Amino acid sequence: DTEVTQTPKHLVMGMTNKKSLKCEQHMGHRAMYWYKQKAKKPPELMFVYSYEKLSINESVPSRFSPECPNSSLLNLHLHALQPEDSALYLCASSQMNLVVTDTQYFGPGTRLTVL
Amino acid sequence: GESVGLHLPTLSVQEGDNSIINCAYSNSASDYFIWYKQESGKGPQFIIDIRSNMDKRQGQRVTVLLNKTVKHLSLQIAATQPGDSAVYFCAEKVTGGGNKLTFGTGTQLKVEL
Repeated sequence: DTEVTQTPKHLVMGMTNKKSLKCEQHMGHRAMYWYKQKAKKPPELMFVYSYEKLSINESVPSRFSPECPNSSLLNLHLHALQPEDSALYLCASSQMNLVVTDTQYFGPGTRLTVL
Repeated sequence: GESVGLHLPTLSVQEGDNSIINCAYSNSASDYFIWYKQESGKGPQFIIDIRSNMDKRQGQRVTVLLNKTVKHLSLQIAATQPGDSAVYFCAEKVTGGGNKLTFGTGTQLKVEL
């Protein structure tokens, strides 16, 4: 089973709202990722968690706040977003087994619209 | 048909034909490559991967070719079906690079009946 689940599927929020995106995997993977994808563009890495610790932050604005409560869950807290933050937000996970072929598996994404 | 995945070009093929999707990667230190398929409204789906110590790998109806000399990757899909219609992304990774994947710009594959 290579399933990563994300909720909600769609989210519409105003610029003053606070919301959270959730991601879950039950594959025993120890690395989890957040990506942002704009229409007709490739996914762009935002954050990487390895063994529940933040290991990479790709200079993401502080209005995006990641959280990894345990090895199966990954959240992305959103606050004071801008309309240009509207995008598909993808979660991925991988084994983090320190071998070359550490494949990332993606969830279906959350389609975010900021009004 | 063939395409170069440097923009988001569209490759149109007839059902039953073979498709070739190309990707020029950027980092000569990359040692692992993955092809993903992304259907409309869905997340990227793993198709096939290849390590840099190989030049060819075959899966079910798909073959990936790697030419490190010119930093070129291709995905061949045999007997293309309507269900193959999607955007295809190549991705590269450097061991020790924090598990970061760098994606190519993608190619839209359209299968005509």
